[in-house]
Amino acid sequence: AQSVSQHNHHVILSEAASLELGCNYSYGGTVNLFWYVQYPGQHLQLLLKYFSGDPLVKGIKGFEAEFIKSKFSFNLRKPSVQWSDTAEYFCAVNPGGSYIPTFGRGTSLIVHP
Amino acid sequence: DTAVSQTPKYLVTQMGNDKSIKCEQNLGHDTMYWYKQDSKKFLKIMFSYNNKELIINETVPNRFSPKSPDKAHLNLHINSLELGDSAVYFCASVHNEQFFGPGTRLTVL
Repeated sequence: AQSVSQHNHHVILSEAASLELGCNYSYGGTVNLFWYVQYPGQHLQLLLKYFSGDPLVKGIKGFEAEFIKSKFSFNLRKPSVQWSDTAEYFCAVNPGGSYIPTFGRGTSLIVHP
Repeated sequence: DTAVSQTPKYLVTQMGNDKSIKCEQNLGHDTMYWYKQDSKKFLKIMFSYNNKELIINETVPNRFSPKSPDKAHLNLHINSLELGDSAVYFCASVHNEQFFGPGTRLTVL
């Protein structure tokens, strides 16, 4: 069965620190990849997505992610975090052509001002 | 103009009751999902509904049933509620990416 692993369950940073959240998946074929963010008390919102093309994807709010096919990874990065980035971050994978996504368990990010 | 709406936002009820959560999307999408998010924030997909085809997560108890009166609506009906059903339930409308509703926090007493 396909799985999605987010290695960091809890991350605590100070403002202006750099961020990298790991995401690895187990599916061997073509995949669509997503990062979603859930701010406290809110619903999930799309940060960025990768379907094909340039493996370095730019998203909203200064986030980016890089798809490395050989490592089955899609890590999320931001060079300088802000207090307002405090949220849960979810990586999700859809095998190509599938309607059913698999989500990672999420990473809780706390940014101290 | 909300793309995906859910009602109610909060639902507090007693064990054994039957309740429904409604979801509506105005995006014209063919695919909708229901998710359960537990207290540890883990997201579990419960149902996928695509062009009248229902795909059920086999681990979901049959007390849960989705009902789709039309393409814009996918409601969740829960029979004989249990304490463990307490969670936040999200619906999502899907076209390439997922557009999530605001969630319904269900508390079973």
